[in-house]
Amino acid sequence: GENVEQHPSTLSVQEGDSAVIKCTYSDSASNYFPWYKQELGKRPQLIIDIRSNVGEKKDQRIAVTLNKTAKHFSLHITETQPEDSAVYFCAAMIREYGNKLVFGAGTILRVKS
Amino acid sequence: KAGVTQTPRYLIKTRGQQVTLSCSPISGHRSVSWYQQTPGQGLQFLFEYFSETQRNKGNFPGRFSGRQFSNSRSEMNVSTLELGDSALYLCASSSRVDRAGEKLFFGSGTQLSVL
Repeated sequence: GENVEQHPSTLSVQEGDSAVIKCTYSDSASNYFPWYKQELGKRPQLIIDIRSNVGEKKDQRIAVTLNKTAKHFSLHITETQPEDSAVYFCAAMIREYGNKLVFGAGTILRVKS
Repeated sequence: KAGVTQTPRYLIKTRGQQVTLSCSPISGHRSVSWYQQTPGQGLQFLFEYFSETQRNKGNFPGRFSGRQFSNSRSEMNVSTLELGDSALYLCASSSRVDRAGEKLFFGSGTQLSVL
């Protein structure tokens, strides 16, 4: 299959709290997992990505973890700020059908100040 | 470097018409992918072109087609428009030359409204 499931669809957190978004994928051969952030009215932009040979990757307040056995990966944002409010998309490179990047449905993150 | 450019920014069409969208990738990028974005559906993959060849295709009907020119610019065509085709169409370019996965640079999109 080529599904990427993303949860939750909406997430509200208080400024300073942490936010976690989870995604699952179906293709066990998938080896590349990026996360994109799309602010209102703007284009999606890559914020972090991870390859299958790594279990965790961090970039300042953002981290991604990957569990290949369970076929899921998560985005963690610590010390959230109002500017983190956006739609976040996970994606997985599905190799079963000739390598295409399949996106989750997105998570609307609202950071309340 | 100039970013990915999509034209037009907005389009209004009526059912049954056809439409052509254009995408100019970042200079030097040879891969162009197209996505359809609708609320609640995320980004649905349409197709990817690399060096003028369609390298992959999503699960869309044959009314959706595309092509890529020798300068890597790409066009997407939708024939016999339906109301459900109303969406933001995004193209993205990348410099990937292998299939290891690489950063996509998105354009601002073309907002298509079908009346």
